[in-house]
Amino acid sequence: QQQVKQSPQSLIVQKGGISIINCAYENTAFDYFPWYQQFPGKGPALLIAIRPDVSEKKEGRFTISFNKSAKQFSLHIMDSQPGDSATYFCAATRPPNDMRFGAGTRLTVKP
Amino acid sequence: GAGVSQSPSNKVTEKGKDVELRCDPISGHTALYWYRQRLGQGLEFLIYFQGNSAPDKSGLPSDRFSAERTGESVSTLTIQRTQQEDSAVYLCASSSDMSSYNEQFFGPGTRLTVL
Repeated sequence: QQQVKQSPQSLIVQKGGISIINCAYENTAFDYFPWYQQFPGKGPALLIAIRPDVSEKKEGRFTISFNKSAKQFSLHIMDSQPGDSATYFCAATRPPNDMRFGAGTRLTVKP
Repeated sequence: GAGVSQSPSNKVTEKGKDVELRCDPISGHTALYWYRQRLGQGLEFLIYFQGNSAPDKSGLPSDRFSAERTGESVSTLTIQRTQQEDSAVYLCASSSDMSSYNEQFFGPGTRLTVL
């Protein structure tokens, strides 16, 4: 069963716009929520991550918003650039090393 | 330092043949994962090794799939009697248990095509 649900499946944004990807999880044992970025032909790579004791984490143009009570978290990409075009996966981890991924969002940023 | 490596990078096989895919994790990483990624799809968890503990095989789709890991080093994923629906990219990742929150480092994947 899918333990992490991700939406939308695909997203098209104009350059300079805000990209928003949402995820929801069910198991409250998850305690770490990373986002991975994958370019075509490459393996996914960690982009940004958050622990459930904070509601927001920002790194440059990338921000994670976390709502523990709703069991939801989202990735916001500000000032989206064509180079951000990639597939983004949210994930949830429970100790010690069990990580479950969302289905992915294919982001296209149009110049 | 070297990242996660996988071999072969591409594998074309005929339906019914067995294939072996190899993963070399980052040295010292105790956890190793295999995922399957079908074209345009997400990451499908297959199996997870953590140190010397019994592996979590809950994601293996059928008994044609098996994986082994020697200690905390190389892992092989074996698919017996391959079917066309096995065509996908098989990704391996490793992580260290030295931190509370364990980033997974992915290899480039093996693209398997079953004719």
